[in-house]
Amino acid sequence: GIQVEQSPPDLILQEGANSTLRCNFSDSVNNLQWFHQNPWGQLINLFYIPSGTKQNGRLSATTVATERYSLLYISSSQTTDSGVYFCAAPNFGNEKLTFGTGTRLTIIP
Amino acid sequence: DAGITQSPRHKVTETGTPVTLRCHQTENHRYMYWYRQDPGHGLRLIHYSYGVKDTDKGEVSDGYSVSRSKTEDFLLTLESATSSQTSVYFCAISESLSSYNEQFFGPGTRLTVL
Repeated sequence: GIQVEQSPPDLILQEGANSTLRCNFSDSVNNLQWFHQNPWGQLINLFYIPSGTKQNGRLSATTVATERYSLLYISSSQTTDSGVYFCAAPNFGNEKLTFGTGTRLTIIP
Repeated sequence: DAGITQSPRHKVTETGTPVTLRCHQTENHRYMYWYRQDPGHGLRLIHYSYGVKDTDKGEVSDGYSVSRSKTEDFLLTLESATSSQTSVYFCAISESLSSYNEQFFGPGTRLTVL
């Protein structure tokens, strides 16, 4: 099945800094999602982005499907951005979303 | 936010007892999923449903059964709970095949099996 790898595993930043999180996947996909798991454990949908670029406020994401990677950009980080960021992709024609192991982001005031 | 609720939100039980977790959605989505989240393993699919009374196994289905008698409800049952089933359980929904559609997740149920 598809393999999903995320980097870096941990990231500690000062409030106001910018960050880039990376997601590599091993096979072609029709669907790629980014999630934020907040400190209370809730999984929040950030982006559904099989290809191209999308922006939502301080967050944006780019997926280059032909090169099998996706990037999540967070600008002007706030302490509420802390948590774990997951990307996930399905095997083609398969119901299972395969999750990466996540990037734990800690924003220091 | 997608209308997904899970109950109970927290449960502590003893080894060998049956446990049922409930997922309820108000979005009328066809597909529903149960995942478990464990340190070092991320989220893994247990079972999913592609319609009323239509279910199939995921990658970690041993020890779990599911039922879906109504579009809005998807139940996960641990027939005889074991300590290895201590985990956080998430329900998810999608309008159609997850290859093409976004999945949305419920708030999770933290289950502890003593």
